[in-house]
Amino acid sequence: GQSLEQPSEVTAVEGAIVQINCTYQTSGFYGLSWYQQHDGGAPTFLSYNALDGLEETGRFSSFLSRSDSYGYLLLQELQMKDSASYFCAVRDDPSNTGKLIFGQGTTLQVKP
Amino acid sequence: KAGVTQTPRYLIKTRGQQVTLSCSPISGHRSVSWYQQTPGQGLQFLFEYFSETQRNKGNFPGRFSGRQFSNSRSEMNVSTLELGDSALYLCASSLVTREGPNEQFFGPGTRLTVL
Repeated sequence: GQSLEQPSEVTAVEGAIVQINCTYQTSGFYGLSWYQQHDGGAPTFLSYNALDGLEETGRFSSFLSRSDSYGYLLLQELQMKDSASYFCAVRDDPSNTGKLIFGQGTTLQVKP
Repeated sequence: KAGVTQTPRYLIKTRGQQVTLSCSPISGHRSVSWYQQTPGQGLQFLFEYFSETQRNKGNFPGRFSGRQFSNSRSEMNVSTLELGDSALYLCASSLVTREGPNEQFFGPGTRLTVL
């Protein structure tokens, strides 16, 4: 089957750094994306890795190791507004379609 | 540019009924995907439509169906509703590109409750 594993909850304090891990087991792999979803809101795209290494976008970075079937999202200088659920998602289809396989999500709570 | 819109936002139905949900993608986006979100299962892919054709389908029973119109608007239908169909149904649209993240733009969702 296809599965993505993420921690269910992470707690950190304002200003700290937090890492959310994602391991995947899918029939194909063509990229790992991260989405953020606030309570009651729609998921929004954060980052994408197709190749091994680190991608940085402001306070957020995402890393991928295809040989380990592993990636992580790194959030720096945490702010209260970062409290949300974070989902990793794999594209398992070589065609760039809209189909994504999502992890169960990690709820991040940022405390003052 | 207006975002993805979904109607209705909330629905309450009873077992055995059917329901139709609507999604209007971002202007210019020809791909529309549907996802079911539940606390226990996360986001699960239902199907994707592109140029009025179903391009991908997830592992859901045939009670779940959809279609896309020439203006890229999409509808999904669930027949013979079951209690387990209670969920947030999310629609996402995207531009079609050869490479890259194929960023999905999600709508606010339709919260379906089956009693």
